[in-house]
Amino acid sequence: GESVGLHLPTLSVQEGDNSIINCAYSNSASDYFIWYKQESGKGPQFIIDIRSNMDKRQGQRVTVLLNKTVKHLSLQIAATQPGDSAVYFCAEKPPSWGKLQFGAGTQVVVTP
Amino acid sequence: DTAVSQTPKYLVTQMGNDKSIKCEQNLGHDTMYWYKQDSKKFLKIMFSYNNKELIINETVPNRFSPKSPDKAHLNLHINSLELGDSAVYFCASSQVRGRDNYGYTFGSGTRLTVV
Repeated sequence: GESVGLHLPTLSVQEGDNSIINCAYSNSASDYFIWYKQESGKGPQFIIDIRSNMDKRQGQRVTVLLNKTVKHLSLQIAATQPGDSAVYFCAEKPPSWGKLQFGAGTQVVVTP
Repeated sequence: DTAVSQTPKYLVTQMGNDKSIKCEQNLGHDTMYWYKQDSKKFLKIMFSYNNKELIINETVPNRFSPKSPDKAHLNLHINSLELGDSAVYFCASSQVRGRDNYGYTFGSGTRLTVV
């Protein structure tokens, strides 16, 4: 995950455009990755996941890309809507049992 | 039905007090967690229990003591609260099978403010 103490990066997107949120993960041995969305006052909500034996996975309006060579994960949101405004986290699961580690998060702001 | 529920949602208390946060999940998961989210939104794992057994205990002050009476409940007791304990605390649950970890689900959080 990202380092503790960094300010929260912000991505400003116009409604209808595509969004790309990037994440650098820390452990090359991590075998499972999840993207979460956290709206104000709520807990993180599962969006999409991907295993390390895949490099791309698609959901409804979302696509996750995994590049293990450079330890990079991205989340693409198609046709961004106002309801997509939230903080987005990537999380990785190292081969250790059960423990999910989070990146620092990206604040997405959708403008009309 | 709420899958992972925490109580209370808000907690304001004075320094030095002792308080508890409760968590319950109705997903049938065997593993539960406590995470702390700081003012910069960073989520850090504190504890994890699997079938009532403590399996993860990160570097957390001894003033924090988790307790799991059964696999559907994980409570967090905090003694001698300090200003720096102010944060949002999230409970989560998942089902672990071997090296796979399914259905990681979070509660809505407890905002703790120590004054």
